[in-house]
Amino acid sequence: AQKITQTQPGMFVQEKEAVTLDCTYDTSDQSYGLFWYKQPSSGEMIFLIYQGSYDEQNATEGRYSLNFQKARKSANLVISASQLGDSAMYFCAMRDPLMGGSNYKLTFGKGTLLTVNP
Amino acid sequence: SAVISQKPSRDICQRGTSLTIQCQVDSQVTMMFWYRQQPGQSLTLIATANQGSEATYESGFVIDKFPISRPNLTFSTLTVSNMSPEDSSIYLCSVAGLAGVRTDTQYFGPGTRLTVL
Repeated sequence: AQKITQTQPGMFVQEKEAVTLDCTYDTSDQSYGLFWYKQPSSGEMIFLIYQGSYDEQNATEGRYSLNFQKARKSANLVISASQLGDSAMYFCAMRDPLMGGSNYKLTFGKGTLLTVNP
Repeated sequence: SAVISQKPSRDICQRGTSLTIQCQVDSQVTMMFWYRQQPGQSLTLIATANQGSEATYESGFVIDKFPISRPNLTFSTLTVSNMSPEDSSIYLCSVAGLAGVRTDTQYFGPGTRLTVL
């Protein structure tokens, strides 16, 4: 089974600065996918970014980028130029094959609460 | 992505009663899932909702407690039966297999915040 570890329960960052949220994973699969989601206090889960194990470049989506270090089994999320609206819980997740292998569920880490200070 | 709605958005219920949560997507999807998020915790998959057949439940979750229906490719319901205060959680539906996006990327509804007294 896949395992996701997020060791930072909470992080603080000043507005306009960059912040890195840590995520390490454990899997025996050669092919896997990693996801980051944002959960504001409203409760919805917002998909941010995806990294595939065979992707040669680190994923980027606007102000979000993923620092993917395969040998270290880490997939850290970098948020550049933080904004007050970035304050939220951030979850790292890995796809986990369902029975039959052609579809996937998500296994989530415990999350990191990011607070952006003005 | 798609527009995913859930009803109700929140509810306060008495123990021993049941609540049915609806999830509606504005386009056909291959997969629909139901997750539970207990207070201060991460998300845990309850079950995969299968169109036209019985849902597939994860370890620790049973059909009698969490019956699920999925009559078509855009709609699913989750019932939380015989509720106790321990069922107080956010319940989220998610979908995967949207046209034009990775099949393993899940998009979530806004969640249903349930409090059981």
